[in-house]
Amino acid sequence: DAKTTQPPSMDCAEGRAANLPCNHSTISGNEYVYWYRQIHSQGPQYIIHGLKNNETNEMASLIITEDRKSSTLILPHATLRDTAVYYCIGGNSGGYQKVTFGTGTKLQVIP
Amino acid sequence: EAGVAQSPRYKIIEKRQSVAFWCNPISGHATLYWYQQILGQGPKLLIQFQNNGVVDDSQLPKDRFSAERLKGVDSTLKIQPAKLEDSAVYLCASSLLSGLSSTEAFFGQGTRLTVV
Repeated sequence: DAKTTQPPSMDCAEGRAANLPCNHSTISGNEYVYWYRQIHSQGPQYIIHGLKNNETNEMASLIITEDRKSSTLILPHATLRDTAVYYCIGGNSGGYQKVTFGTGTKLQVIP
Repeated sequence: EAGVAQSPRYKIIEKRQSVAFWCNPISGHATLYWYQQILGQGPKLLIQFQNNGVVDDSQLPKDRFSAERLKGVDSTLKIQPAKLEDSAVYLCASSLLSGLSSTEAFFGQGTRLTVV
């Protein structure tokens, strides 16, 4: 599995875009980048994933650098409900899906 | 679609006692995971099943923890005997059989274990 590095915490003003970076310099060619978040006292929730191309869904956008060594999760208009710990994960080694979490980034959305 | 179900939600036991957690994954999901999440840390993978076979249990403390997934559906995780440091939230997750394709994992609400 790829080792990922994220800042431990970030603040974002409500209504502004939240840009959460992740470094995954050891990611291999067939490993996807996944983002999950965990709101207090709940199980982690899937947000988005990608391999090479940028991806967008109803929750967020994922920008992956061309060399695939880093990515950025973008929440376009952060709300107070987006306050959570966000995990960047490199997965799918060995021919099967593997989801291994690091320490994540605690995002605090400020009113 | 029903989510991943776990029970109980909370459990308090004394050290050296035994405890079991139950997980019912989303119907049709072949992959099932058990995680341990200690307060302030990210979830740590304990064991991963593909159908009823174990594909990764490298971080499972096998002297006290055991898990099974009979018939490739429900799963139980047992701790015997429990230690104080086992106090944590135990999360179950499931995902579709993926092979080399991508798939997301769905998590249950977890069981909060307190060992006193």
